[in-house]
Amino acid sequence: DTGVSQDPRHKITKRGQNVTFRCDPISEHNRLYWYRQTLGQGPEFLTYFQNEAQLEKSRLLSDRFSAERPKGSFSTLEIQRTEQGDSAMYLCASTGQIPYEQYFGPGTRLTVT
Amino acid sequence: AQSVTQLDSHVSVSEGTPVLLRCNYSSSYSPSLFWYVQHPNKGLQLLLKYTSAATLVKGINGFEAEFKKSETSFHLTKPSAHMSDAAEYFCVVSGAGNNRKLIWGLGTSLAVNP
Repeated sequence: DTGVSQDPRHKITKRGQNVTFRCDPISEHNRLYWYRQTLGQGPEFLTYFQNEAQLEKSRLLSDRFSAERPKGSFSTLEIQRTEQGDSAMYLCASTGQIPYEQYFGPGTRLTVT
Repeated sequence: AQSVTQLDSHVSVSEGTPVLLRCNYSSSYSPSLFWYVQHPNKGLQLLLKYTSAATLVKGINGFEAEFKKSETSFHLTKPSAHMSDAAEYFCVVSGAGNNRKLIWGLGTSLAVNP
């Protein structure tokens, strides 16, 4: 399968714990995006990488959130000291030469109890 | 700033009847517009895209959309609904600049009745 993959698919954690999600984009894609989607809403942009450089961060991304893409391939999104309001679906997308054509992974559903 | 408004949060049709999902956009420049579909427990899938070429865009699964600049609309249509079309549909506009982040509508839930 050459699509975007995300791991884990589901994560349940207690408030205050740290969590880390991984996204593996389509191999030749140089741009990678993270979005967050809550129930009944469309996805909201969080951050964007071109290769290993993080070029934009949404103000939704508080200082408890950090994202990396160390070698320009896979990316991680870490949430520290999770809060119940962090419960959401976290989506990763990648794109290649056509920047507006984004391919999405299945998402990681986070539940903070 | 770019934005999209999906005019209906829920649409219900009978199988075999036409589908119309409405979307208006706001953009300070010529936009790129998209429709994505999200089936339960599945990832988002691109249905079709408009990028300043033909105003009538055909997508997968028999869907199409027409870009109307004068009405700032990009409505999604299908002549005949199928049960498998039941899903959440998102109208999306591409942001400005090089990052091309996507700006999403709130979604329209399509139900198809037998």
